[in-house]
Amino acid sequence: DIVMTQSPLSLPVTPGEPASISCRSSQSLLHSNGYTYLDWYVQKPGQSPQVLIYMASNRASGVPDRFSGSGSGTDFTLKVSRVEAEDVGVYYCMQSLQIPRTFGQGTKVEIK
Amino acid sequence: QVQLQESGPGLVKPSETLSLTCSVSGGSISSYYWSWVRQPPGKGLEYIGLIYYTGTTYYNPSLKSRVIISADTSKNQLSLKLSSVTAADTAVYYCVRHEPRTLGAVTYWYLDLWGRGTLVTVSS
Repeated sequence: DIVMTQSPLSLPVTPGEPASISCRSSQSLLHSNGYTYLDWYVQKPGQSPQVLIYMASNRASGVPDRFSGSGSGTDFTLKVSRVEAEDVGVYYCMQSLQIPRTFGQGTKVEIK
Repeated sequence: QVQLQESGPGLVKPSETLSLTCSVSGGSISSYYWSWVRQPPGKGLEYIGLIYYTGTTYYNPSLKSRVIISADTSKNQLSLKLSSVTAADTAVYYCVRHEPRTLGAVTYWYLDLWGRGTLVTVSS
């Protein structure tokens, strides 16, 4: 299985400030078709997970543009340009290159 | 608006079979991939497996010997069966629809629509 490692696991943030989460995969997530098979999800308190970013850098429908994804190969980053209070939750990266799809451990984002 | 509703027993005895149903309303299960994902209490997400509405399945190798995912287009439902359960199978189980996105000649399926999840506890 591809192992996904996130850091940090806990991220206190100040509203209005930027935030960044790192995700590293144990092997490249670059598909032979040239696309990168890495998604980002957030699970807000008491809710089911929801998609933020697919294929490393594409925002899903309805996701605010303060969220952005970047990276290639084995190293990826989710950035929030200006954190809002509603952004608290646990953020997961997930690889979809191979079955089984595997998730990172999750990064808990909370307001300072 | 498409909605997913997981249902099934909230309590299962060790060594028995966990059986869950995902009822889809507001849309058809046809032409989509569907996945089951679980989350032990206070822990992260674990991928169980996926099914295309035609019946093609892919399972997590760690669970493959115990899991069966099926689709019933006539009832517009997905089902999950996990046999020989232990306390380690205690989790919230989510049914998830994949959304296709086409980029050039590539169609990419990401986990888009999640059910609310159902907690299954394995205990005698």
